Amino acid sequence: DAGVTQSPTHLIKTRGQQVTLRCSPKSGHDTVSWYQQALGQGPQFIFQYYEEEERQRGNFPDRFSGHQFPNYSSELNVNALLLGDSALYLCASSHGTLEAFFGQGTRLTVV
Amino acid sequence: AQSVSQHNHHVILSEAASLELGCNYSYGGTVNLFWYVQYPGQHLQLLLKYFSGDPLVKGIKGFEAEFIKSKFSFNLRKPSVQWSDTAEYFCAVNQVNRDDKIIFGKGTRLHILP
Repeated sequence: DAGVTQSPTHLIKTRGQQVTLRCSPKSGHDTVSWYQQALGQGPQFIFQYYEEEERQRGNFPDRFSGHQFPNYSSELNVNALLLGDSALYLCASSHGTLEAFFGQGTRLTVV
Repeated sequence: AQSVSQHNHHVILSEAASLELGCNYSYGGTVNLFWYVQYPGQHLQLLLKYFSGDPLVKGIKGFEAEFIKSKFSFNLRKPSVQWSDTAEYFCAVNQVNRDDKIIFGKGTRLHILP
């Protein structure tokens, strides 16, 4: 049973570019949450998707958007990248109990 | 705004020493509480969780945590640490019946000397 998988594992982008990160939830999970973890910080909640809709959103600008597909997988899109967007982006999946399972993350570097 | 505070950013202990990592949260309502661990090069894993009932919860690898509602605290403990416990530890909280987002503390980096 695969856990939460994220792709790519590493990514380097230039300021102003756009990026799409992908997440496949653990089998049986229907809720996907995205977090940003800057160096030396704890994960910061970006948003959560359930039934293909954004259910919760943290304090992130509209440049951060997402999508959930019918198979529960999800994408995180970031437009107009800034140097400060460099971070580890974590995807977590859950079903009902709030016990979230995390993927390995995508390390995004903006240069 | 809801927040989670972890008192120690970096802790260094020798093997067999006892461990206690502090965690306080700011929300006054009913909460679910978690401790996550991130071993070097690995993903975040759940160590233990508190939803209700016995305030002393036991997790994997000999860890336990005690929920003290009056102190808004959920400290993590282990009587005797091992070198393999070297990792970063995150306390996290969710507000029951409000939303499903989990708020994390900034983490405590634990280094165990062999």
